[in-house]
Amino acid sequence: GAVVSQHPSWVICKSGTSVKIECRSLDFQATTMFWYRQFPKQSLMLMATSNEGSKATYEQGVEKDKFLINHASLTLSTLTVTSAHPEDSSFYICSASVREQDSGYTFGSGTRLTVV
Amino acid sequence: AQKITQTQPGMFVQEKEAVTLDCTYDTSDQSYGLFWYKQPSSGEMIFLIYQGSYDEQNATEGRYSLNFQKARKSANLVISASQLGDSAMYFCAMRGPNFGNEKLTFGTGTRLTIIP
Repeated sequence: GAVVSQHPSWVICKSGTSVKIECRSLDFQATTMFWYRQFPKQSLMLMATSNEGSKATYEQGVEKDKFLINHASLTLSTLTVTSAHPEDSSFYICSASVREQDSGYTFGSGTRLTVV
Repeated sequence: AQKITQTQPGMFVQEKEAVTLDCTYDTSDQSYGLFWYKQPSSGEMIFLIYQGSYDEQNATEGRYSLNFQKARKSANLVISASQLGDSAMYFCAMRGPNFGNEKLTFGTGTRLTIIP
């Protein structure tokens, strides 16, 4: 089935630095990628939807300048957390829609970000 | 707007017993899809089962079945013969009619613990 490879699986960074998270579709073309954020013991909250070749659509309350999303190709979407702060520490997970599968969507394995 | 409600924050079930996880939804769309995902402590999202709004029969996948009651807007997950490995968070989710570029809306989740 369709696989999305997400890297890194975990990252620790200093406050004020930027971190890039990559999601690659390995055996299919991901025209649409969804980026979610999950706080401990909570549900997944959609941050933004990215479509290849166009600007991402952000959910209300998500800072566009802080969470930069790039979807420059059909196989790669990236999320960059700029000037990270401890409150940005969270679990970030990407998902691509896959029409050919009953599952409908395939998820990356997630990135656990800790800002110190 | 779509909404998913999971009213059971946590459940404890004896091994080998069947368990039902509740999910109700609200949508004004005629066409939609309902999903169940399992999230172990590692964080990955594991697809379990899918039910389309026009599917007349309840979906089944191995030990998982979805009790779909459209008039009541409920989509409960039934796990038969529970196993220790079933201990995890379980999320109910739905998408709207535009399959392919629609986000998933998640419920708050149910933490299932299987007792030996």
